Parts: sequence; C-alpha cells; structure tokens
Amino acid sequence: NAGVMQNPRHLVRRRGQEARLRCSPMKGHSHVYWYRQLPEEGLKFMVYLQKENIIDESGMPKERFSAEFPKEGPSILRIQQVVRGDSAAYFCASSPDGYEQYFGPGTRLTVT
Amino acid sequence: EDQVTQSPEALRLQEGESSSLNCSYTVSGLRGLFWYRQDPGKGPEFLFTLYSAGEEKEKERLKATLTKKESFLHITAPKPEDSATYLCAVQGSSWGKLQFGAGTQVVVTP
Repeated sequence: NAGVMQNPRHLVRRRGQEARLRCSPMKGHSHVYWYRQLPEEGLKFMVYLQKENIIDESGMPKERFSAEFPKEGPSILRIQQVVRGDSAAYFCASSPDGYEQYFGPGTRLTVT
Repeated sequence: EDQVTQSPEALRLQEGESSSLNCSYTVSGLRGLFWYRQDPGKGPEFLFTLYSAGEEKEKERLKATLTKKESFLHITAPKPEDSATYLCAVQGSSWGKLQFGAGTQVVVTP
C-alpha cells in the first residue's frame, strides 16, 4: 500500500506568485490534514478535510490560503500572493478513521 | 487550548545507554496521544497511539506509556539508527486536529 504522496517535493516561487501543493492520501483514507512546519518551529495544524468538505480550518490563515479535497483527485493547498514568511515545509497527512494520521514526505516551499 | 511540552529538547546517548523522553500535556477530553519519529528532511513517521491512562505499547527498542498528565517514550539499548527527532502530539476535543510538541532531538553515538 503506497504511502501518502505529495508533490512537488520542492517548490520555489517569487513573492506575489501562487503556490499549489498536492496531496494524494493513502488508499482507503478519506480524512486529509495539512500541517505547516516553519524553520526551527514545530508542526502546526492548518486544515482538516473530508471528501468535498472542510471539517476544521481553524489553523488556516484567513487570507491567501485555501484548501480543497474534491470528489476525484488529490487534495490541494493553495497559497495566493506568496510572501517570504510562507517559506516552510508543508505536510499532508491522511487517516482511515480520524485517529491515527500518516504523513507524507512534505513539500518544501521557498519564496524568493 | 490544548498544550504539549516535551523534554528534554535534546538528548545525546551512547549506544546501549537507555533513557526516557517526557511529554506533558494539557487537553480537554483526550481522544488520543501519538508518538512520531521525524528524520531530517522527511515527514513524521507514526510510532504509537495511546488512548487511556495506564496503556503501554512497544515496538522494538521503544516503549510508550501514558498517565493522565504525561507520556514517556522509553528507548532501551539505543542504536545509532534510533537518532531522530521524536514528536508527541495530542488529539483533544477538536476532532482530527493534532497539537504537537516541539520535539526531542535524540543523537545516539557508537
């Protein structure tokens, strides 16, 4: 069973551009989570989604950030008009039942 | 708000020198406490879930225990390949969301 897949693994964007991060959960997992890990900081929850629904977005910045998990295809985390402070590692996790979460390898976003 | 504090921040061990990592937590309505291992440049790797005080789980040289206020990760006779950052997280009344501690960086030298 393939693990959680994320792409791209590394992404470089100039300030003001858009970043799109993709996450394919493990087979049979319908719960998806996004976390951010800033340099020298711990993992912070951003958003929790199930197919076509946002369950909890309490950790998501109010502006420029959005997430979706469509009926078909991967979950997408979208960051509009990126700024230097958005540079971080973004991890996706999936779960079969909302308890144990299995993480992907992450996308490292660098904003220049 | 749920809070997780891990100690020590860093731990240097000789191969074979057993030790314990601490995770203290404050949470309303614990649904689960989770331990992960993270290697540099990689995503967290799931190790254990503990659901209630008194529960224990083991995997190779690792053993996790849980009380009402803290969890311990015991590393018995560690090897260099056990070098990693160990993360503790809790899931409280907010369904799904994990609150992580800052981690304990463990280095095991031959």
